[in-house]
Amino acid sequence: DVKVTQSSRYLVKRTGEKVFLECVQDMDHENMFWYRQDPGLGLRLIYFSYDVKMKEKGDIPEGYSVSREKKERFSLILESASTNQTSMYLCASKMGGETQYFGPGTRLLVL
Amino acid sequence: GENVEQHPSTLSVQEGDSAVIKCTYSDSASNYFPWYKQELGKRPQLIIDIRSNVGEKKDQRIAVTLNKTAKHFSLHITETQPEDSAVYFCAALFGNEKLTFGTGTRLTIIP
Repeated sequence: DVKVTQSSRYLVKRTGEKVFLECVQDMDHENMFWYRQDPGLGLRLIYFSYDVKMKEKGDIPEGYSVSREKKERFSLILESASTNQTSMYLCASKMGGETQYFGPGTRLLVL
Repeated sequence: GENVEQHPSTLSVQEGDSAVIKCTYSDSASNYFPWYKQELGKRPQLIIDIRSNVGEKKDQRIAVTLNKTAKHFSLHITETQPEDSAVYFCAALFGNEKLTFGTGTRLTIIP
């Protein structure tokens, strides 16, 4: 059974703080993704990675960066958090095939 | 760029009736179309998917149809039950790695 975990379910941060969101998968998946989910906007892709140390911009990368030092771990970094980054963040992973598995999500509130 | 449009954004149906959610996509090269269900407070989970070499796929009360010429695909839920209440997302695979999601449909089953 595929397991995708995220480091926190809820986070509260202040404007300007550096924020790290961690995602770990245990199925040796090549591809990992970070999305944000906002009401009425669906799931929007921030960044994805298809291999260790590789990263590609998604549809809304501004204000974010990522790190993939190990295959099982994909980190999303908010260098200087802003209130418009308050959202639900979802990590996902998959092998070369199509089925994508999601983590439980991190609800981030930036004050 | 890649685009997936989903309609309606909200849908209420009487228990036992059918529900239909429709999506259109922009890239004729897309060849994989999954549907995800997200219950309140939970992660999105794959419920059914279809590949471009088939026009229809069914799994118990759920079916998906694909019209490649018109670039649209639909989710059909028959004999709806209260546990079908959730947000449903369609998606299309662009290239080999990246899913683009629709904006979601909130389905409410009225007892």
